[in-house]
Amino acid sequence: DIQMTQSPSTLSASVGDRVTITCRASQSFSSWLAWYQQKPGKAPKLLIYKASSLESGVPSRFSGSGSGTEFTLTISSLQPDDFATYYCQQYVTFGQGTKVEIK
Amino acid sequence: QITLKESGPTLVNPTQTLTLTCTFSGFALSTTGVGVGWIRQPPGKALEWLALIYWNDDKHYSPSLKSRLTITKDTSKNQVVLTMTNMDPVDTATYYCAHIVVVSDTFDYWGQGTLVTVSS
Repeated sequence: DIQMTQSPSTLSASVGDRVTITCRASQSFSSWLAWYQQKPGKAPKLLIYKASSLESGVPSRFSGSGSGTEFTLTISSLQPDDFATYYCQQYVTFGQGTKVEIK
Repeated sequence: QITLKESGPTLVNPTQTLTLTCTFSGFALSTTGVGVGWIRQPPGKALEWLALIYWNDDKHYSPSLKSRLTITKDTSKNQVVLTMTNMDPVDTATYYCAHIVVVSDTFDYWGQGTLVTVSS
């Protein structure tokens, strides 16, 4: 089974910071990679699909890139609403999550 | 507009069988390429995929839970049902159902989730 490892597990940042989260797969895969944002008590929200496609309605400060076994989610300028936990997903495998906290 | 909603017991006893229903609208599970999955999240922990069912009745299960899970669909009722046998306190979690499309392998619409507590 493919394992997805996110780094860092926790990230402390300030409003306006550029933030990058990495997701590494234990092996290369043929399906797509997605990124989700989850806030406490809420269901995950799709941000990025097919590694780099922005879901409709998601602010353009979110972007995704990568291929093979390494993928990144970038928030170009962190906003107050962005403090949350982020998960990558490859088909039926999720990463362990990255919590973005206020510095 | 696609919506999904989970329903089922909030409290189950250890060793009992859990039955959860996902009732959806805005899509048909008879449409080629469409599926519904179940994902759970123990309190304070990460998301864990459980099972998937597709429009053609193709079914997939988490290898670690396969012996305990059954997923079925009722296309006429727009429902997907997940059963999990032999519940244990470690199965306490919020259980989500979600819409998935084959072309992107992405869970693009999620239910609100239902918290299931396993305790005697």
